[in-house]
Amino acid sequence: DAGVTQSPTHLIKTRGQQVTLRCSPISGHKSVSWYQQVLGQGPQFIFQYYEKEERGRGNFPDRFSARQFPNYSSELNVNALLLGDSALYLCASSTGTGAEAFFGQGTRLTVV
Amino acid sequence: AQSVTQPDIHITVSEGASLELRCNYSYGATPYLFWYVQSPGQGLQLLLKYFSGDTLVQGIKGFEAEFKRSQSSFNLRKPSVHWSDAAEYFCAVVGDFGNEKLTFGTGTRLTIIP
Repeated sequence: DAGVTQSPTHLIKTRGQQVTLRCSPISGHKSVSWYQQVLGQGPQFIFQYYEKEERGRGNFPDRFSARQFPNYSSELNVNALLLGDSALYLCASSTGTGAEAFFGQGTRLTVV
Repeated sequence: AQSVTQPDIHITVSEGASLELRCNYSYGATPYLFWYVQSPGQGLQLLLKYFSGDTLVQGIKGFEAEFKRSQSSFNLRKPSVHWSDAAEYFCAVVGDFGNEKLTFGTGTRLTIIP
């Protein structure tokens, strides 16, 4: 079975641009969460979606948004990119509350 | 608010030696605790988790962790490390079971020397 898949694996953007990151959860998983991991730090929670509804939001500006589709895949959008948005963005899926979260390999975003 | 502290940024251990990685958490009630491992350029893999019950939990790859409420700790141990254990290790907590937000520590980088 395929694990959590994220695309693209790497991308480079210019300050001020917008970016969309994609995540496909494990089959049967209805919960998707997004994390930002800046180099040298632990992952920071951005969003959680369950059954297409937002369940939680971390301390990130409104430039960050996300959504979950009927097939439970998810997109993370970041507008007006800043240099500080350069990070590894991780997606995790689970069957729901209390279940183990499985992480994808991440998308490495570099803002220049 | 929940928080996690990993006091050791970097640990170096000889292959075959024992290992203990420290983790302290802050949360008012009984937390749900996790240890994840991350190899370079990879995502996170769950090593073990504590929800309730026996305070000594066994995980994959020969790792174990002990929950000590009195010390607010959840230290990770392995009796004999292998070169393949070199990686970044993260302790994490979920405070509210209805909210799956994982709060991570800053991580401990483990280096193995021959």
